[in-house]
Amino acid sequence: GQQLNQSPQSMFIQEGEDVSMNCTSSSIFNTWLWYKQDPGEGPVLLIALYKAGELTSNGRLTAQFGITRKDSFLNISASIPSDVGIYFCAGEGGTASKLTFGTGTRLQVTL
Amino acid sequence: DAGVIQSPRHEVTEMGQEVTLRCKPISGHDYLFWYRQTMMRGLELLIYFNNNVPIDDSGMPEDRFSAKMPNASFSTLKIQPSEPRDSAVYFCASSLSYTQYFGPGTRLTVL
Repeated sequence: GQQLNQSPQSMFIQEGEDVSMNCTSSSIFNTWLWYKQDPGEGPVLLIALYKAGELTSNGRLTAQFGITRKDSFLNISASIPSDVGIYFCAGEGGTASKLTFGTGTRLQVTL
Repeated sequence: DAGVIQSPRHEVTEMGQEVTLRCKPISGHDYLFWYRQTMMRGLELLIYFNNNVPIDDSGMPEDRFSAKMPNASFSTLKIQPSEPRDSAVYFCASSLSYTQYFGPGTRLTVL
C-alpha cells in the first residue's frame, strides 16, 4: 500500500541534542499524526495536527502541519535515553479515518 | 480506560495450523483496524471496520486471511492455513475519529 516518505530512516544522537525528522507525501492530507513505538509495544500517539500551518507542542515535542498539507515535521528538544524508539508519521486523507503511515525513523540516543 | 486489548501477546505455531488473533477495542470507538508489521514492509493495513461492518479489506493478503467483528467489543483475525511468511506482529487499533489507538500487538511466529 501507499506509504509516506519519512526521513531520516535512522538517527544516532547524544543525550541532550535536539532531533528533527520530517514526513512528505505526494497527496494532500487533512490530518497529520505522530506516533512513537517502543520495542515490543504498539505505536503510541504523540501529537495530532488538524489544520495546515498548525504548530503543536507536547512537552519537549513540537510538530507542525505543513502549509501545503503534504508534509509535517517533528522536533524533539534535549533528547533523553527514553526517547529511543521508532517514530512514525501518519496522514489521514479523507477516507473514513483510514491512515497512511510513514516508513518510520529509528532514533538511538547515546549517553 | 484499559486501552485496546489484544490476545495472545505471542503465538508460535506450525505451518498449516489455524491461528486466531483477538482484539477488544476501546469502549465507544466505532472504527477498528487490523495491521501487520514486518521489517520489510513496515505497517500494513489489512482490514478495517466501521460499526462492526467491514469497510475495506483490500489489504488482506489472500483468502487464507479472514476477519470478523461480531459486536462492538470484539474482533478476530484468522489465518487458515498459516504459512511461515505470515510471521509478523499483528496490531489492532480503534478510533472514534482520526486518532487511532493501538493495542500492544500479537507476535506471530509460524514454523
